[in-house]
Amino acid sequence: DAKTTQPTSMDCAEGRAANLPCNHSTISGNEYVYWYRQIHSQGPQYIIHGLKNNETNEMASLIITEDRKSSTLILPHATLRDTAVYYCIVSLSGGGADGLTFGKGTHLIIQP
Amino acid sequence: EAGVTQFPSHSVIEKGQTVTLRCDPISGHDNLYWYRRVMGKEIKFLLHFVKESKQDESGMPNNRFLAERTGGTYSTLKVQPAELEDSGVYFCASSAYYRLGEGYTFGSGTRLTVV
Repeated sequence: DAKTTQPTSMDCAEGRAANLPCNHSTISGNEYVYWYRQIHSQGPQYIIHGLKNNETNEMASLIITEDRKSSTLILPHATLRDTAVYYCIVSLSGGGADGLTFGKGTHLIIQP
Repeated sequence: EAGVTQFPSHSVIEKGQTVTLRCDPISGHDNLYWYRRVMGKEIKFLLHFVKESKQDESGMPNNRFLAERTGGTYSTLKVQPAELEDSGVYFCASSAYYRLGEGYTFGSGTRLTVV
């Protein structure tokens, strides 16, 4: 079972920042938080990951609370193409040995 | 670089027939994974290869499913005989073994329909 809890769906206006929350209260000290998204009929797409510190890349920012029990993915200027299901995943490596456990994710709908 | 490529993109077969799905990972990626999503369910891990060796096949549903990765390059997933409940989208993903943490690259998937 997924070790994360996310809202089922969210709306955001185009051009605004989309903030997607995730709870992972049972995360262990060496587990990373990963975010993937799946745009309709495509394969999941890696977005970002982090361990303790906040992270930013060209796609998004990841804010992890100090106790690491929750995090927020931020899409700074959402576009219609960001409409997708977003998955928050806790993983030891994310790109190495262990498989990923996908939950139900958050269906983010960007409104024009 | 070329991404993860899966063939075919769609397949419709009758119950009891055999289907073989193929995945070509990104060149040089030692890790190769198979996942699937059946209708209305979450994406589930099936198995993991490192080069040609199966590291973890705990997610394979039953012995009707056989995955191979001869030579450590492309992989095939055979379903024989196919059942109605095997319908879904099968995803392949790859990652470079030494670059832990960068995340997987997924293919676009094969949509399998068993009728």
